[in-house]
Amino acid sequence: KAGVTQTPRYLIKTRGQQVTLSCSPISGHRSVSWYQQTPGQGLQFLFEYFSETQRNKGNFPGRFSGRQFSNSRSEMNVSTLELGDSALYLCASSDTGGAYEQYFGPGTRLTVT
Amino acid sequence: QKEVEQNSGPLSVPEGAIASLNCTYSDRVSQSFFWYRQYSGKSPELIMSIYSNGDKEDGRFTAQLNKASQYVSLLIRDSQPSDSATYLCAVNKGGYQKVTFGTGTKLQVIP
Repeated sequence: KAGVTQTPRYLIKTRGQQVTLSCSPISGHRSVSWYQQTPGQGLQFLFEYFSETQRNKGNFPGRFSGRQFSNSRSEMNVSTLELGDSALYLCASSDTGGAYEQYFGPGTRLTVT
Repeated sequence: QKEVEQNSGPLSVPEGAIASLNCTYSDRVSQSFFWYRQYSGKSPELIMSIYSNGDKEDGRFTAQLNKASQYVSLLIRDSQPSDSATYLCAVNKGGYQKVTFGTGTKLQVIP
């Protein structure tokens, strides 16, 4: 099976702009979770989507949002970018949801200037 | 108190030795436990999952879970320089709740 794919791999944006990141899970997996990884905070959970519904949400401001499509592909959007949003954004797919094994994509490196 | 705690390291072990990585968690209802390996500049890779008390072995890796003491550990036998990476412990409370990650332990295997 093909693994989790994320696009784009690298992104440079300026403060105030918005950005959309995409994630395609492993075929057959219906759960997609998004994480933000920074050197200081480690892996922080953003949200999880399962069958097009947001099932869990982390402690991030409303500027961070996401959605999932009927083919399980997911997007996350960050509006009004801040310098502190610079991070590696990872998505992980699972076939049964957050209780089970998650498989990560390569990530999108976002730099906000 | 953090939900999942790990010593940040670095933990240095000589090649061929056993590396022991530890993780403690705060919520007694936690049900699922995972170890991920993350090489520098790469994404985390699942290497072990464990759900019940005791040991689980997979090749050179052994995961150990003690729910009464709320800790989970990962042993790497015959450590190789290629095992040098950051190891992340992750915990889930079950019932489709989110997975919480520790900040990771950096392992260095010295040739």
